[in-house]
Order: sequence, then C-alpha cells, then structure tokens
Amino acid sequence: KQEVTQIPAALSVPEGENLVLNCSFTDSAIYNLQWFRQDPGKGLTSLLLIQSSQREQTSGRLNASLDKSSGRSTLYIAASQPGDSATYLCAVIPNAGNMLTFGGGTRLMVKP
Amino acid sequence: DTAVSQTPKYLVTQMGNDKSIKCEQNLGHDTMYWYKQDSKKFLKIMFSYNNKELIINETVPNRFSPKSPDKAHLNLHINSLELGDSAVYFCASSQVRSAEAFFGQGTRLTVV
Repeated sequence: KQEVTQIPAALSVPEGENLVLNCSFTDSAIYNLQWFRQDPGKGLTSLLLIQSSQREQTSGRLNASLDKSSGRSTLYIAASQPGDSATYLCAVIPNAGNMLTFGGGTRLMVKP
Repeated sequence: DTAVSQTPKYLVTQMGNDKSIKCEQNLGHDTMYWYKQDSKKFLKIMFSYNNKELIINETVPNRFSPKSPDKAHLNLHINSLELGDSAVYFCASSQVRSAEAFFGQGTRLTVV
C-alpha cells in the first residue's frame, strides 16, 4: 500500500528565504506526482505535475524534482513571499490505478 | 469560468438526514472523483467514475453513493448521516491516468 509522507508538517520562514519542502513515498512504482497548494478554507490548486519519466518541473519561482528510485520529491520555492503562506500537499498516482494518494501536507508561513 | 464547481459550499444538517452534494466539471475530462478531508486535514479518495462506470471504490460506507448523470457531473448522495461524516468533501476531475487533477472548492459538511 502506497504511503506518502511530508516533512516538516509546519514551517515558518522570513520573507525572501529560499525553502525546500519534502515528500517521500513508499512504493516507487508511480505514474506521476503532483504538488498542490491549499489555502485555509479553500480548495486545492494544482502547482506542478511531474510524470514518472521526468526529473523536474518548473513554474515561476517553483521547482519540483522527482527521484523515483529513492521515493522522494522536493518542492523548491525561491524568494518566498507572504502570499506563499498556505498548506502544500504532494500526491502520487500509482501505476496500477488512477487515484491520488496524498501526503499530510506542510503548512508554510512566510513572515513579512 | 470555474473548471470544477461543487454546491453547496456549506451544508449543516441533522443526524439521520439524507443529503446530496453536486459537482460539475467543464474541462471535458473522462474521470471524476470524490475525496474526503477529515478534521486532521488528511485527504483520502472515496471513489471515482470513468465514462459513467465506477472504477475505484474505497471502503466507504454504503450510505455514500455516487451518481453520474453524464460525463460532466458526479453527485454524492449520503443517506442516514452520522456525526462522523462531518468533513470537507472535494470533487475533482482528470483525464484517465492523468494529466493533472483539478479540484473543486470543497463542501464543508457538518452533521449535528
């Protein structure tokens, strides 16, 4: 059974810092991995999708990497801003099916 | 133009009642999902529909039933509501073996 873990559970940083959020999964046989952002009381916004054959994806100040063999993904946020404050979730789709299995999320607070 | 929309956004009801949550997507996707986010913010798949066929059904109580009148809609019916059903329910859609998953804004269900 696939399990997804995100560390740390919460992170507080001053504005302008570069930061890394971690995601690990127990079964390396994944179809793709997706990073989401969730604001309090809101839905999930897709940030980046990495196919299993890819190593990384970039969108603006965000860069997500994938190392299937070690069961890890990282989300790098450059020059963090207070508007980046949210919960960041990673989720994987296994090869055998098409359901997203989510990690518990990292709650990020960027202080001005 | 909202890609995945669900109604209502908030739902407060008494134990034992029957309620429905509606979901519509205008992305032309083949697969739609329902996820449950519990009080600890953990997101778990409930079930998904692909071309009007149920393809994944997690071990949810049979009081929960998905209804898909067409490819663009997947409604969630809940019978005999219990206190433990209180959660945020998210609808999502994607192409089969996606591609990105897109989520609705969520429905906060409170059973009193």
